Amino acid sequence: DIQMTQSPSSLSASVGDRVTITCRASQSITSFLHWYQQKPGKAPELLVYAASSLESGVPSRFRGSGSGTDFTLTISSLQAEDFATYYCQQTYNTPRTFGQGTKVEIK
Amino acid sequence: QVQLQQWGAGLLRPSETLSLTCAVSGGSFTDYSWSWIRQPPGKGLEWIGEIDQTGSTNYNPSLKSRLTISRDTSKNHLSLKLSSVTAADTAVYYCARNYGYRSIADYWGQGTLVTVSS
Repeated sequence: DIQMTQSPSSLSASVGDRVTITCRASQSITSFLHWYQQKPGKAPELLVYAASSLESGVPSRFRGSGSGTDFTLTISSLQAEDFATYYCQQTYNTPRTFGQGTKVEIK
Repeated sequence: QVQLQQWGAGLLRPSETLSLTCAVSGGSFTDYSWSWIRQPPGKGLEWIGEIDQTGSTNYNPSLKSRLTISRDTSKNHLSLKLSSVTAADTAVYYCARNYGYRSIADYWGQGTLVTVSS
């Protein structure tokens, strides 16, 4: 199985801050990497697919980058509605594994 | 607008079989593959398995011996059966549509909490 390691596991930030979350794969997954946002009690929502493509309707302050084994999700200016947990997922092969999640909390 | 509506028994005893259904509306059913994903309370997401456009399945090896994912194309329904459940199977279960050759989960069901308790 491909292991996905996210860091940090949690972070505290203020509205307006720039936030960066990293995701590392245990082997190359080229660009088969996607980011999801999950709010409490809700299903995850797709933010970024294929490492750097923004899903329709997602604000441009979200940006994904990377390829191979190292990936980054950046929120350029954190908004109140962005406080949530973020997951990366690889779909390079099966089982399609997720990172453990990064919880973004209000500072 | 694509919608995925899930239902199934929410409380099971150990050793029983978990059975969930996901009804798809607002889009093509047979043009996509479909996944099941679960999330234990307070924990992260775990991929359970998927069924592709031909009806072929891929399962998480950790669940494979107990798992059946199937579809009914006449009803646009996806189903999940997990046998011999234990407390470790307590989780919110989600169905999701997989988009494109990268199998991107772009639409999700609302989730169904399944609790296993004696």
